[in-house]
Amino acid sequence: GEDVEQSLFLSVREGDSSVINCTYTDSSSTYLYWYKQEPGAGLQLLTYIFSNMDMKQDQRLTVLLNKKDKHLSLRIADTQTGDSAIYFCAEPTTGNQFYFGTGTSLTVIP
Amino acid sequence: DTGVSQDPRHKITKRGQNVTFRCDPISEHNRLYWYRQTLGQGPEFLTYFQNEAQLEKSRLLSDRFSAERPKGSFSTLEIQRTEQGDSAMYLCASSRERTQYFGPGTRLLVL
Repeated sequence: GEDVEQSLFLSVREGDSSVINCTYTDSSSTYLYWYKQEPGAGLQLLTYIFSNMDMKQDQRLTVLLNKKDKHLSLRIADTQTGDSAIYFCAEPTTGNQFYFGTGTSLTVIP
Repeated sequence: DTGVSQDPRHKITKRGQNVTFRCDPISEHNRLYWYRQTLGQGPEFLTYFQNEAQLEKSRLLSDRFSAERPKGSFSTLEIQRTEQGDSAMYLCASSRERTQYFGPGTRLLVL
């Protein structure tokens, strides 16, 4: 499970929905995570989904998991300028580390 | 609720010098992790502690790097004889079980 892939950039207009996609490789992962990183800051845990779920909703955030295709997505409804950041998906290994994608830089245009 | 803290937040050093970073995890978390993040990349795992025992080390952790967690609480990461390629953000995370919570990071610049 060392290849976690994300598209690098996404631009949306304020008020629109954003969809950030991620593909992972380890089908045995029990949880999959989304983190947010603002410039110069550490990673903030946004949400996670257990592998026996297809969808999880948390306020403006919706996580969709397609285990067959090993595809994870994060939808942000009513995107605000404060949502501009880099978003990482993360996959735990069979050990104790997380593998992170390269991150998707979300730019929200006012 | 106190999160993970790291000190210093920024460090500028000259090549060849030694540096040490500190991480204070969330108090009830027995697991502690160090990651390194370079510009435009996601964090890469360096090492993992459960209580005071260092249980995993990445091959990224060369002989110049050493990490300790002597009493199972705070941890230190030391880099000896720094090189320009060590310039990065060093992130610490802690967890009670699987979910990791990250600190603000220490940004290292080696001149």
